[in-house]
Amino acid sequence: DAGVTQSPTHLIKTRGQHVTLRCSPISGHKSVSWYQQVLGQGPQFIFQYYEKEERGRGNFPDRFSARQFPNYSSELNVNALLLGDSALYLCASSLRDIGGYTFGSGTRLTVV
Amino acid sequence: DAKTTQPNSMESNEEEPVHLPCNHSTISGTDYIHWYRQLPSQGPEYVIHGLTSNVNNRMASLAIAEDRKSSTLILHRATLRDAAVYYCILRSRGSGNTGKLIFGQGTTLQVKP
Repeated sequence: DAGVTQSPTHLIKTRGQHVTLRCSPISGHKSVSWYQQVLGQGPQFIFQYYEKEERGRGNFPDRFSARQFPNYSSELNVNALLLGDSALYLCASSLRDIGGYTFGSGTRLTVV
Repeated sequence: DAKTTQPNSMESNEEEPVHLPCNHSTISGTDYIHWYRQLPSQGPEYVIHGLTSNVNNRMASLAIAEDRKSSTLILHRATLRDAAVYYCILRSRGSGNTGKLIFGQGTTLQVKP
């Protein structure tokens, strides 16, 4: 079975630009979560979606938004990029309330 | 959100058992104890989880204290591939579950040949 897939794997953007990151969960997983991991720190929770509805939101500005599609894939959008948005963005999927999360390998975003 | 406390780093010799401790004194009755690990340049990997009883799987064992205020992840025979950052996380179960995992700094495990 394919794991959680994220695209692109690497991305370089300029300050002020917009970026869209994509995630496909494991087949059958209806919950998708997004995390930001800055170098040297643990991942920080951004959003969780379940059945296309936002179920949780971390302490991130409104420049960050996300959505989940009918096929349970998800997009994370970041507007007006700042240098501090440079990080590894991780997507995780799970069967709600059961077991653990499966993470993708992430998208490495560099803002210059 | 209930917090966990882990040592910053630990060392082990290859093929020896490793016991990674975690304190979670404010754990609630609905909190599951989850362990993840993250190898360099990869996303976190689920290792094991438990509620009250000790748990075993192909990767590790989880020993949970009777009062649930602490737990220990046990790697029975460490290999060089087990060198990673290990995170102990509490995940609440229930209709209010937002899917939020709170990662701390974790324990960086070094395995020496």
